[in-house]
Amino acid sequence: NAGVTQTPKFRILKIGQSMTLQCAQDMNHNYMYWYRQDPGMGLKLIYYSVGAGITDKGEVPNGYNVSRSTTEDFPLRLELAAPSQTSVYFCASSYSGQGDSPLHFGNGTRLTVT
Amino acid sequence: QKEVEQNSGPLSVPEGAIASLNCTYSDRVSQSFFWYRQYSGKSPELIMSIYSNGDKEDGRFTAQLNKASQYVSLLIRDSQPSDSATYLCAVMDGANSKLTFGKGITLSVRP
Repeated sequence: NAGVTQTPKFRILKIGQSMTLQCAQDMNHNYMYWYRQDPGMGLKLIYYSVGAGITDKGEVPNGYNVSRSTTEDFPLRLELAAPSQTSVYFCASSYSGQGDSPLHFGNGTRLTVT
Repeated sequence: QKEVEQNSGPLSVPEGAIASLNCTYSDRVSQSFFWYRQYSGKSPELIMSIYSNGDKEDGRFTAQLNKASQYVSLLIRDSQPSDSATYLCAVMDGANSKLTFGKGITLSVRP
């Protein structure tokens, strides 16, 4: 009964480093999303996927890349980390992407870039 | 740019009072509306969804939607200290599967 699992929980990066945030869901959900949340702000959509092999940009995609090779996994790649990418990152999934299919969130990854 | 606006907070109410949280949205074709609760350091969790004009009640929570005014609200009756959290309004349009979130409002319920 894992739901949406994100790893790592915390990470500190130096400017210019790269890393991959992992996200996996075991609910056979087609739709997966990556959000970032800055202090005192709502969630901003980075990328989303409607199924394996299909991804699309959200509101704030610059500096990030994603892939969706399987239904279960949706990793988020940060290339050349910048201080502006310091944030809490949430992965979420839903079955159909429609209004009657709620988002299930992971526990988040807190990333600091210094 | 689709916008979801939540009135400035934080909001503080005494235990047992009614907390009223408001949200407006810019996209007239929006179809689905949600309220998420987020405790400090935790992920958001869905507490209410509403799709048609009027009121929807679930326990102590009532969501209200007025599409003509592009307004959605959440009422929490008999507020409890455990209701202290940030409440995020989210709106989904009919064209895609993306949610747009407001900035959230932090509610504090005083014992």
